[in-house]
Amino acid sequence: AQSVTQLGSHVSVSEGALVLLRCNYSSSVPPYLFWYVQYPNQGLQLLLKYTTGATLVKGINGFEAEFKKSETSFHLTKPSAHMSDAAEYFCAVTRAGANNLFFGTGTRLTVIP
Amino acid sequence: KAGVTQTPRYLIKTRGQQVTLSCSPISGHRSVSWYQQTPGQGLQFLFEYFSETQRNKGNFPGRFSGRQFSNSRSEMNVSTLELGDSALYLCASSSVAGNTEAFFGQGTRLTVV
Repeated sequence: AQSVTQLGSHVSVSEGALVLLRCNYSSSVPPYLFWYVQYPNQGLQLLLKYTTGATLVKGINGFEAEFKKSETSFHLTKPSAHMSDAAEYFCAVTRAGANNLFFGTGTRLTVIP
Repeated sequence: KAGVTQTPRYLIKTRGQQVTLSCSPISGHRSVSWYQQTPGQGLQFLFEYFSETQRNKGNFPGRFSGRQFSNSRSEMNVSTLELGDSALYLCASSSVAGNTEAFFGQGTRLTVV
């Protein structure tokens, strides 16, 4: 079975501050991990993914995430928040060879000017 | 390259009716997955089709069904609509089965009254 837990349904940061969105996963097989962003009334856009190899993954818009097997975590970070980063962020897990994603409950990011 | 196209974008139906939603994947993509997004349950996997065959299925009642055509376009059908079926239905396409990089459409917002 696979699942993810996103700690904090709402996160607020000041513009220019560090963004940290937390994701912990549970998986009985090696996980493939993803972060998606969703703007109001839109679909999901892939920010970054981890499958195998390098554990620090860089994505679009300055986001990155680090896969930590020992901590079963895949937290999303961005050094400096921008107003355009305000959106809902979803962490998801699946396994090799599968296309069905198991999503967390999402974290709504607010950026304060 | 055109993205994933879902039609219609918005739909209002009455309890007991049935509804069909359509998804056209990115050109060349052969895998289509469907997800239901609600405030209470979050994002949940419905099913995946690859080369006109259902490859994977989530935990939804039989009222939810789908199919895929030879051009990879997919439809999902919900029969005997219930109020709880009100949701954003998202379609995602991938180039191959097990590719795990899913591109999402903007979704169809279904409201059941």
